[in-house]
Amino acid sequence: DGGITQSPKYLFRKEGQNVTLSCEQNLNHDAMYWYRQDPGQGLRLIYYSQIVNDFQKGDIAEGYSVSREKKESFPLTVTSAQKNPTAFYLCASSPGQSNQPQHFGDGTRLSIL
Amino acid sequence: DQQVKQNSPSLSVQEGRISILNCDYTNSMFDYFLWYKKYPAEGPTFLISISSIKDKNEDGRFTVFLNKSAKHLSLHIVPSQPGDSAVYFCAASGLDAGNNRKLIWGLGTSLGVNP
Repeated sequence: DGGITQSPKYLFRKEGQNVTLSCEQNLNHDAMYWYRQDPGQGLRLIYYSQIVNDFQKGDIAEGYSVSREKKESFPLTVTSAQKNPTAFYLCASSPGQSNQPQHFGDGTRLSIL
Repeated sequence: DQQVKQNSPSLSVQEGRISILNCDYTNSMFDYFLWYKKYPAEGPTFLISISSIKDKNEDGRFTVFLNKSAKHLSLHIVPSQPGDSAVYFCAASGLDAGNNRKLIWGLGTSLGVNP
């Protein structure tokens, strides 16, 4: 079945450490996105990529980094510079710069120890 | 500044009755609107959408109405079922100043359908 896989589902990090969240899609979508959701909040865009080897900052990119070396993969690194990293992280993909709906993974919950 | 507002954080409805979820937006550049449904610990799932050139779109039990002059849209679920209990997000799509398509999300409305 086509879809988006995020791993792991739960992730714990010590303060000062970088951690990388995985996102893989087999939908052959060009565009991929990373969002962050906090309790009682909507989804806020961290980074997005419309094509391989290209990505743009979203609304809250500080403290995060991404790469897009393959069409299927869009990993997100939460760096030690991110002051409040505890959140639910969602990855999505869509066919491209269109009104086609975004498809989401089931998310990764990151917690700081 | 919230460009997409869902003013009701929660809504409770009896099974079999109509659920009406509301969404207001402030930016006239939005030309496409989507509703997503989200269960706890899962990603949002696309439900239904509407283009700004239409005022209604229907898909089974779900209908979305758009009032452009009021910058308001609503999602109607008839009849409501217990499985509809979830958080519903309204999202608006439009081109920004750099001609990039952006999707702006509301904060969500938690719908509870009571048996």
